[in-house]
Amino acid sequence: GAVVSQHPSRVICKSGTSVKIECRSLDFQATTMFWYRQFPKQSLMLMATSNEGSKATYEQGVEKDKFLINHASLTLSTLTVTSAHPEDSSFYICSATLAGAPVGETQYFGPGTRLLVL
Amino acid sequence: AQSVTQLDSQVPVFEEAPVELRCNYSSSVSVYLFWYVQYPNQGLQLLLKYLSGSTLVKGINGFEAEFNKSQTSFHLRKPSVHISDTAEYFCAGAFVVFGTGTRLQVFP
Repeated sequence: GAVVSQHPSRVICKSGTSVKIECRSLDFQATTMFWYRQFPKQSLMLMATSNEGSKATYEQGVEKDKFLINHASLTLSTLTVTSAHPEDSSFYICSATLAGAPVGETQYFGPGTRLLVL
Repeated sequence: AQSVTQLDSQVPVFEEAPVELRCNYSSSVSVYLFWYVQYPNQGLQLLLKYLSGSTLVKGINGFEAEFNKSQTSFHLRKPSVHISDTAEYFCAGAFVVFGTGTRLQVFP
């Protein structure tokens, strides 16, 4: 099956530093990747949709200068939390859809990255 | 646009009992529906999906769901649950539309 990995699985950083999270599709090409944020005991909140080779589309209320997304290849997307603050602490999850799959098809999720900003 | 509603935030059940997790949807366009399971500190795993065709969809781990157009529902069922089924379950529509989740707690 399609496998998506995330690295790191958890990260602790000081307030004011930047953190990069990688999302990789291991055995398939993904033209579209999604980044979600999940607060404790809540559902996933879509932050942005990224398409390979183009700028990410951010959801309303998500600061694009705060959460930098790069989708440089068909197998890798990165989310950089710039100048992280404690309120950015959360569980970040990426997902990917198969290249060429119909709109609305299955998403394959990464295992998530737990970010704790002290 | 499509939206999904999960009617129960928590469902407690004893081991080996049947369970139903409810999901209703609204959509003015083609319907794609999914059920995902999330174990603690993990990402989401696809249980099953409905894209078209047979309204009864069978998934992994013994789960199944039935697409009911007249009731705009896509309830998830399992005839006999195990302790290991304790997790958060999310109903979802295409792409960004997730329900708020249902916590299934299985007791021995």
